[in-house]
Amino acid sequence: IAGITQAPTSQILAAGRRMTLRCTQDMRHNAMYWYRQDLGLGLRLIHYSNTAGTTGKGEVPDGYSVSRANTDDFPLTLASAVPSQTSVYFCASSASGDTGELFFGEGSRLTVL
Amino acid sequence: GQNIDQPTEMTATEGAIVQINCTYQTSGFNGLFWYQQHAGEAPTFLSYNVLDGLEEKGRFSSFLSRSKGYSYLLLKELQMKDSASYLCAVRDKDYKLSFGAGTTVTVRA
Repeated sequence: IAGITQAPTSQILAAGRRMTLRCTQDMRHNAMYWYRQDLGLGLRLIHYSNTAGTTGKGEVPDGYSVSRANTDDFPLTLASAVPSQTSVYFCASSASGDTGELFFGEGSRLTVL
Repeated sequence: GQNIDQPTEMTATEGAIVQINCTYQTSGFNGLFWYQQHAGEAPTFLSYNVLDGLEEKGRFSSFLSRSKGYSYLLLKELQMKDSASYLCAVRDKDYKLSFGAGTTVTVRA
């Protein structure tokens, strides 16, 4: 059972470079989310998608873009990386109904130099 | 938006009980969640409250008072493996989840 798969697991990136973090889920969940986690600040929502074809901005969307072409994939793109985007990025998904709990991927650790 | 507060750190002894408090202010409440996160790992779901009262699940219980904007997570019979960060999260009417900064619990022998 894969659940949610993120790639890469870890990446060091030069400032100004473009980077896409990949996220794929096999649970057929409607909703998907991208969070960043920084020490002392907790998890902050970057972008989300309630269903394929739609996206929305979270708490900290600037410098990031997402797309949701199908149910399974939700890539996060940094168009021109800056050092303040150094963080651990978590992708998550949830199903409609019930508790709607989030299931998280294992995270992608990104360092921008 | 959401404003979620929880203590930064707590320490307790193996076998004891620890209560982690969470207060929140929200423009549209649609459920409160607790997650556990071990160092270097992804958060995992612990509990969910949408109505006032206590939800019990084994050694873990979670309480909610919507009128007070208050929840707590109760961990009983603490084990060393319970050393982790515990995240309080509030869902809004658009089904977006906002997290507190987390409470690091250290269990000592």
